[in-house]
Amino acid sequence: RKEVEQDPGPFNVPEGATVAFNCTYSNSASQSFFWYRQDCRKEPKLLMSVYSSGNEDGRFTAQLNRASQYISLLIRDSKLSDSATYLCVVPDSGAGSYQLTFGKGTKLSVIP
Amino acid sequence: EADIYQTPRYLVIGTGKKITLECSQTMGHDKMYWYQQDPGMELHLIHYSYGVNSTEKGDLSSESTVSRIRTEHFPLTLESARPSHTSQYLCASGQGYGYTFGSGTRLTVV
Repeated sequence: RKEVEQDPGPFNVPEGATVAFNCTYSNSASQSFFWYRQDCRKEPKLLMSVYSSGNEDGRFTAQLNRASQYISLLIRDSKLSDSATYLCVVPDSGAGSYQLTFGKGTKLSVIP
Repeated sequence: EADIYQTPRYLVIGTGKKITLECSQTMGHDKMYWYQQDPGMELHLIHYSYGVNSTEKGDLSSESTVSRIRTEHFPLTLESARPSHTSQYLCASGQGYGYTFGSGTRLTVV
């Protein structure tokens, strides 16, 4: 059974802090991974993709450890606008399948 | 600016009514999806389509049905709404794994 497990949160951090979220997955055949961001009562939006060992985009860094089957998301210099729920997402690996399994999400609150 | 549209945004309806939630996208995506999400909970896939005249049920059992007569249109229908159907319904489309979600329909059945 495909599973995606995330840190339960919530994470309450001050502005400027560095925060990291972890996510473990059970489908060892998955080749690519995603972090989505979901604001309160809004739709999820793609934040980052991870296809190899890692990916960096400004203050955000996503890392992949295939041997241990976990993905992490690091946010540096947190802003108030980073407050949201971060969803770890793992694709199915079946032939012709384009379905995604979403984790329950980790809620981040950045405090002034 | 959104390329995927869901209507209505909010719907409050009585038990037993038939309802259709609309989802349209202008990106020409073959793959479209319906997810159900309760407040503070994870998304659950209820239906998906990989092209015209192709529809499949997702992981979460649902009493709803879908159709895909045109590439851009993927409506979801509940023949007889019940209070247990109260939830947020999110439509998404994509070519690969990078989904674009609509703003969702928040359904309340009273």
